[in-house]
Amino acid sequence: EVQLVVSGGGLVQPGRSLRLSCAASGFTFTNTWMSWVRQAPGKGLESVANIKPDGSEKNYVVSVKGRFTISRDNAQNSLYLQMNSLRAEDTAVYYCVRGGGNYAYWGQGTLVTVSS
Amino acid sequence: EIVLTQSPATLSLSPGERATLSCRASQSVSSYLAWYQQKPGQAPRLLINDASNRATGIPARFSGSGSGADFTLTISSLEPEDFAIYYCHQRSNWPFTFGQGTKLEIK
Repeated sequence: EVQLVVSGGGLVQPGRSLRLSCAASGFTFTNTWMSWVRQAPGKGLESVANIKPDGSEKNYVVSVKGRFTISRDNAQNSLYLQMNSLRAEDTAVYYCVRGGGNYAYWGQGTLVTVSS
Repeated sequence: EIVLTQSPATLSLSPGERATLSCRASQSVSSYLAWYQQKPGQAPRLLINDASNRATGIPARFSGSGSGADFTLTISSLEPEDFAIYYCHQRSNWPFTFGQGTKLEIK
């Protein structure tokens, strides 16, 4: 059974940093593109970033480029999202998703609230 | 960036009726179009990928069609559990984008 367990969300002040983690199991993590998708409260879905299996290719949506970094540890079957210089508009539920664009499996999501 | 426009924004129907949801892309996405269902407090669930392929475990009443820039999700006979928000999603060009959603509500 595919499992994606996300941790690291919470309340953070504007301009500060937060790191999300996603522990993956039930599939061959080392062969799989992974993604982060977010959803602002009451709003639609947005693909934030994705990463190739070996970590050699990463893509970011324009609104987070230069502030967020996606990474992975294949030895630990883990995916990360380092979020720096956070803004109010980054407030959202962040989902860890298996796949680079074909999102068949989603984690439970973690809420990140950016507010003073 | 490819913009996906879904219509209608809200669709009010009764159980047993047929639902037709539309998604139009600002440029061709070939067949790289998926449909997701989302219920309150839950993560989205993949229904259809590559325009017309039902995902694992998805009932046959869900079907997708289209290619290029115009796509349709059809639910042949609505069940009570089908009332939710539906999103289309393209993975043709990065950034991969979603439509704004169609809310399917009980009439």
